[in-house]
Amino acid sequence: EAGVTQSPTHLIKTRGQQATLRCSPISGHTSVYWYQQALGLGLQFLLWYDEGEERNRGNFPPRFSGRQFPNYSSELNVNALELEDSALYLCASSPRVTSYNEQFFGPGTRLTVL
Amino acid sequence: KQEVTQIPAALSVPEGENLVLNCSFTDSAIYNLQWFRQDPGKGLTSLLLIQSSQREQTSGRLNASLDKSSGRSTLYIAASQPGDSATYLCAVGTSGSRLTFGEGTQLTVNP
Repeated sequence: EAGVTQSPTHLIKTRGQQATLRCSPISGHTSVYWYQQALGLGLQFLLWYDEGEERNRGNFPPRFSGRQFPNYSSELNVNALELEDSALYLCASSPRVTSYNEQFFGPGTRLTVL
Repeated sequence: KQEVTQIPAALSVPEGENLVLNCSFTDSAIYNLQWFRQDPGKGLTSLLLIQSSQREQTSGRLNASLDKSSGRSTLYIAASQPGDSATYLCAVGTSGSRLTFGEGTQLTVNP
């Protein structure tokens, strides 16, 4: 069974540009989560999508947004990029949400903002 | 606000040693606790998931325990191998399906 996939592997942008990151969940999973792992800040929760809706959001500005498509894949968009947005962005998926969901992570997209 | 702390931050041991990694959290209202492994520059590999109603889980040489009332979890690795070298992350699942992560323990197992 294929795991969570993310594209691209690496992305280089300049300050002020927009970045789009993509995630395909494990087949049968309806929930997608996005996390940011910036140097020195640890892993932080960004967004949770389930059944096409944004269900929860971490403490990030509105320029971080995303969506979930009918096939449950997801996009994370980061507008007006800042240098501190440089990080590894990890996507995770889980089956239909219960209180006990285990999250499975993809390999990540390394975003570098110059 | 949930806070997760992992001790030690780094650990270097000789091959074959049994070791314990510690994780503590400030709010006992959790749904579950997951232990992950992360190799440099890579994503996370889920090692063990403990539901809030459980006390421990085992997988091969790994055993994780959970004491919700004291806000603690331990990951026990038996007979460590060089291939176990990685960063180990503890994360608690709370309302809103978010995981709150600790800073990790960087483990080096020397041949």
